[in-house]
Amino acid sequence: AQSVTQLGSHVSVSEGALVLLRCNYSSSVPPYLFWYVQYPNQGLQLLLKYTTGATLVKGINGFEAEFKKSETSFHLTKPSAHMSDAAEYFCAVSDQKGQFYFGTGTSLTVIP
Amino acid sequence: EAGVVQSPRYKIIEKKQPVAFWCNPISGHNTLYWYLQNLGQGPELLIRYENEEAVDDSQLPKDRFSAERLKGVDSTLKIQPAELGDSAVYLCASSLEANTEAFFGQGTRLTVV
Repeated sequence: AQSVTQLGSHVSVSEGALVLLRCNYSSSVPPYLFWYVQYPNQGLQLLLKYTTGATLVKGINGFEAEFKKSETSFHLTKPSAHMSDAAEYFCAVSDQKGQFYFGTGTSLTVIP
Repeated sequence: EAGVVQSPRYKIIEKKQPVAFWCNPISGHNTLYWYLQNLGQGPELLIRYENEEAVDDSQLPKDRFSAERLKGVDSTLKIQPAELGDSAVYLCASSLEANTEAFFGQGTRLTVV
């Protein structure tokens, strides 16, 4: 079975500071990995995904994530936080059957 | 391209009443998901369809929940009777096929009073 752990349910950063949201997964097979963002009263929007190939993945809004197989991690980063980045972020893993497993989410607060 | 459309956006019902949610996936997407999202939690899968076939409904409480996807396009999720603990956001998502990214609707926020 797959599972996703997001360390830190709440993260606060200053505007312009580095954003780092952590995600670790467990998977018995090579996983597909995703980061989604959710704004209040909205559905989830895909930020980026890793399937195969280059382990550093770039997504929308300046976010990127690196797949590290040895660490079973897929941490999300952004060099400089913007006020509009305040939202809930979900890491997800997909198995070979197409089943998605989501983490419990990290709420990002950006302090002006 | 139109996204995943869900209706209604909000629903308030009394306990023991029935309720239904509707989802129109992105055109051409074969895989459709229904997720339950409690406050402060990640989405949890209720049921997944491949075309009109339910391929994973192990987390669907079948005593009160039912779902259908007629003709492999639109889908409805029904709860009968609703309980207070069913208050949550119900998300529908679709993907072109399994293992490709899922696109989510805005969700239906259900409040059972």
